[in-house]
Amino acid sequence: DQQVKQNSPSLSVQEGRISILNCDYTNSMFDYFLWYKKYPAEGPTFLISISSIKDKNEDGRFTVFLNKSAKHLSLHIVPSQPGDSAVYFCAASLHTGTASKLTFGTGTRLQVTL
Amino acid sequence: DTEVTQTPKHLVMGMTNKKSLKCEQHMGHRAMYWYKQKAKKPPELMFVYSYEKLSINESVPSRFSPECPNSSLLNLHLHALQPEDSALYLCASSQDVGGYSEKLFFGSGTQLSVL
Repeated sequence: DQQVKQNSPSLSVQEGRISILNCDYTNSMFDYFLWYKKYPAEGPTFLISISSIKDKNEDGRFTVFLNKSAKHLSLHIVPSQPGDSAVYFCAASLHTGTASKLTFGTGTRLQVTL
Repeated sequence: DTEVTQTPKHLVMGMTNKKSLKCEQHMGHRAMYWYKQKAKKPPELMFVYSYEKLSINESVPSRFSPECPNSSLLNLHLHALQPEDSALYLCASSQDVGGYSEKLFFGSGTQLSVL
């Protein structure tokens, strides 16, 4: 049962254009959402996050949008750069009272071409 | 210092071996995590330690034994592993135990191969 899904396994975008990565979730109890970037054989690196009480959060070239009614979030990267090429995971957090459990999506491989 | 350091980076072991993975952070974080990631799959949670006590075990087989000697260190002891346990093992830490808006910091992982 995959509670967090990224339906596009890969995405190719030209340098300078906008990259839009999408993520859907099924558990309405998730209260915090994060995007991580990952290179092969390395750990995920935190990019940007959003609380469930907000619908938008912006940090430089990265903006995350949350649509709670649709259980959907998206990451926009503008402008896209070759160094952005990596696998992007969205993650949803469930507060358990003793720790936070992160559930990761299946990942989208972004390729930014020249 | 915002680093989570994992050693070794690579490990090859036989099914009868005993080995340990190590993780260290000096950010004062009170929650530490072990995740497992198979190729082309998302990271999957294995264990969570809160204030040096095991708080979450995601039904992980007993051949994986976690240990948290102090608030900065996290170990994962491995014994009698199977070839299907070959994966990237990721350690992570976060600041507030059970707090909302938890951001996890990950190490670079240990790439484990079981022969």
